[in-house]
Amino acid sequence: NAGVTQTPKFQVLKTGQSMTLQCAQDMNHNSMYWYRQDPGMGLRLIYYSASEGTTDKGEVPNGYNVSRLNKREFSLRLESAAPSQTSVYFCASSEYDRGSGGELFFGEGSRLTVL
Amino acid sequence: KQEVTQIPAALSVPEGENLVLNCSFTDSAIYNLQWFRQDPGKGLTSLLLIQSSQREQTSGRLNASLDKSSGRSTLYIAASQPGDSATYLCAVRGSQGNLIFGKGTKLSVKP
Repeated sequence: NAGVTQTPKFQVLKTGQSMTLQCAQDMNHNSMYWYRQDPGMGLRLIYYSASEGTTDKGEVPNGYNVSRLNKREFSLRLESAAPSQTSVYFCASSEYDRGSGGELFFGEGSRLTVL
Repeated sequence: KQEVTQIPAALSVPEGENLVLNCSFTDSAIYNLQWFRQDPGKGLTSLLLIQSSQREQTSGRLNASLDKSSGRSTLYIAASQPGDSATYLCAVRGSQGNLIFGKGTKLSVKP
């Protein structure tokens, strides 16, 4: 009954360090998403992947890279972390591509602090 | 550009009360609207998904309605319980497929 699993749940980085947030889903969904949630800003889309090997930029992609190596996993990488990237990151998945309007399922979130 | 607004930002009610949460959006050309619940420090849990061709959806004590022409949706919670305390988010999927979120309504149900 895992659904969408994110690791790590918490991380503290220093400015300039790099790290990768991992996301895996076991629902055989095609689409996967990375969002960030900031106080007063709501959730904003960072990147989207419709299928293995394809990715599209969202609303706030700068400073991030993603990788969709297989259907289950979608990772988010910060190459050189900045304090502005302090946020809660959510991975989500959906059975259908975003143009078809499927229901979204979210992970528990990864809380990142950049000092 | 699609904008989603949720009013009020916070709401406190006594246990047992029926309540309505509001969501409005500026562009009526939507695929669907989804209501989520978020508990503190947790992820989002999907409550109800209403397709653009539907008027309402029901799940247990929850009923969500959609009026595309007026750009509004409501989430009705019947006989509220302390366990309903959480932040409720609505999200609209627009014509380009992107899901645009409101900032949520934080609900507190007092015993």
